[in-house]
Amino acid sequence: GQQLNQSPQSMFIQEGEDVSMNCTSSSIFNTWLWYKQDPGEGPVLLIALYKAGELTSNGRLTAQFGITRKDSFLNISASIPSDVGIYFCAGQDLEYGNKLVFGAGTILRVKS
Amino acid sequence: DGGITQSPKYLFRKEGQNVTLSCEQNLNHDAMYWYRQDPGQGLRLIYYSQIVNDFQKGDIAEGYSVSREKKESFPLTVTSAQKNPTAFYLCASSTMGYNSPLHFGNGTRLTVT
Repeated sequence: GQQLNQSPQSMFIQEGEDVSMNCTSSSIFNTWLWYKQDPGEGPVLLIALYKAGELTSNGRLTAQFGITRKDSFLNISASIPSDVGIYFCAGQDLEYGNKLVFGAGTILRVKS
Repeated sequence: DGGITQSPKYLFRKEGQNVTLSCEQNLNHDAMYWYRQDPGQGLRLIYYSQIVNDFQKGDIAEGYSVSREKKESFPLTVTSAQKNPTAFYLCASSTMGYNSPLHFGNGTRLTVT
């Protein structure tokens, strides 16, 4: 099946620092989604990207849909302690029945 | 408030027993999904349903069963045939529109000993 490679696997950063994570795929997707999961909770949608080259912001978060449609990145600016959690990328495509394919996640830990 | 409710939050079972996880949504979404989450891995699709009385296998359906008798409900049964059932199970729903993002419940942690 389709697979997404998400990196880094984990990050331990200082409060106030900027964070960057990305996902790559061997397959083309028509939609890229970024979710955040707090411990013991379900993932919550952060940003949805629908067009190749699209750059979208949501507060301190910025995400881009790669031009090749095979990659996406998420940036978090000026990290704060509540940013801790697991960040997942997900790709979606009609050829795969519109189902989501998830990356393995990036664990973010912030030192205050 | 609209949302997806999974119950119970924690579930403990003995090996060899079937167990059913509940998922209810009041978002009026047509599609519902079950995912399994293991440490260090992405979410893996178990089953999904796009319409009442119809469902399809996902990538890891073996040892699981589902039903979709009502639009709002999509229970998952973890059978004794599932070789490694201990995991965090997530239910999700979406509209049927193209590029519709999934909305997740808060999960059920199943421990089988």
